[in-house]
Amino acid sequence: EDQVTQSPEALRLQEGESSSLNCSYTVSGLRGLFWYRQDPGKGPEFLFTLYSAGEEKEKERLKATLTKKESFLHITAPKPEDSATYLCAVWGRNDYKLSFGAGTTVTVRA
Amino acid sequence: SAVISQKPSRDICQRGTSLTIQCQVDSQVTMMFWYRQQPGQSLTLIATANQGSEATYESGFVIDKFPISRPNLTFSTLTVSNMSPEDSSIYLCSVGTEANYGYTFGSGTRLTVV
Repeated sequence: EDQVTQSPEALRLQEGESSSLNCSYTVSGLRGLFWYRQDPGKGPEFLFTLYSAGEEKEKERLKATLTKKESFLHITAPKPEDSATYLCAVWGRNDYKLSFGAGTTVTVRA
Repeated sequence: SAVISQKPSRDICQRGTSLTIQCQVDSQVTMMFWYRQQPGQSLTLIATANQGSEATYESGFVIDKFPISRPNLTFSTLTVSNMSPEDSSIYLCSVGTEANYGYTFGSGTRLTVV
């Protein structure tokens, strides 16, 4: 069974204080690793898909990287509007469903 | 990417009643999924909605409790039947295509059972 573990559970940052979120996974044949942002009371918003080890993707202050065992979401010089829960999910070879981690709740203080 | 309209956005229901949630997509999609997100928890897949055939349910979820319809490639419904307070959650519709596996989510239905 595919498993996804995210750490830390919560992260409090000062505005401008860069940091990284971790997503460790075990999956039978990774077809894709997804990062989402979720604001309170809303559905997850797609950020990135990574398909193979060594791949990197960027969007504004966010950069996602992938190795064979984990993915990192780097937040560079965060702003208060980056406060959200960030979810990681994996898509394995066996079917089309995604397995989600519990998420990391990021709070950025001005 | 596809745009999803999910209705209702929230509801408060009496125990023992049923609620049907609608998911409308602005384009044809291959895959449609229904998720549950309990308070403070991550997403749990309920079932995959299959067009023209019975939905595929995950362990712990049964058709009698969560009947699903998918009459075409742009629409699906999820019914939460005989509700109890434990069913209070956010229910989310998600869609994907072969061209884009960045699965898109609806805004969710916040259900409170009293």
